[in-house]
Amino acid sequence: KAGVTQTPRYLIKTRGQQVTLSCSPISGHRSVSWYQQTPGQGLQFLFEYFSETQRNKGNFPGRFSGRQFSNSRSEMNVSTLELGDSALYLCASSLGTGSNEKLFFGSGTQLSVL
Amino acid sequence: AQKVTQAQTEISVVEKEDVTLDCVYETRDTTYYLFWYKQPPSGELVFLIRRNSFDEQNEISGRYSWNFQKSTSSFNFTITASQVVDSAVYFCALSDSNSGYALNFGKGTSLLVTP
Repeated sequence: KAGVTQTPRYLIKTRGQQVTLSCSPISGHRSVSWYQQTPGQGLQFLFEYFSETQRNKGNFPGRFSGRQFSNSRSEMNVSTLELGDSALYLCASSLGTGSNEKLFFGSGTQLSVL
Repeated sequence: AQKVTQAQTEISVVEKEDVTLDCVYETRDTTYYLFWYKQPPSGELVFLIRRNSFDEQNEISGRYSWNFQKSTSSFNFTITASQVVDSAVYFCALSDSNSGYALNFGKGTSLLVTP
């Protein structure tokens, strides 16, 4: 069974640009969550999608958005990039049927904002 | 407030030593879930163990064991006979209704196992 796939692996952008990151969950998984990892703030929850609907959202500004497609693949978008958006963005998938489910993570997209 | 504290930032041990990673949590919920994840240099977080607030039974799974104590709000994780491949960053995480059951991670403990 293929794992969670995130593309691209690395990305370099400049301030003010916008970026789209992609995540393909494990086959059969309907929930996709996104987390941001930085040295200062650690791992922080961005949002979760289930069956194309945002089910939960973390405390991030509106510049961070996401969506999920009918095949459960998900994208997240960051508009008007700031230097502080430089981070490892991790996607995780699960069946989405329970609150104590273990998550399966991808290797992440390392975003650098210059 | 929901919070997870991993006081140990870095731990270094020699192969075959036992090592315990500490985790202290705060939550107002009576129903909550605790997790340990491992992050090797490749970047992806790997699920290790899970406990819910109703089950304080401590278990051993291979070289891994955990000690969940509600009285002290601690969820410690022990690796017995550590190996070089255990070198990684280990995260303790909590999920409860306050976060909509999203994972709230601690800052992580970096474990280095040397030969």
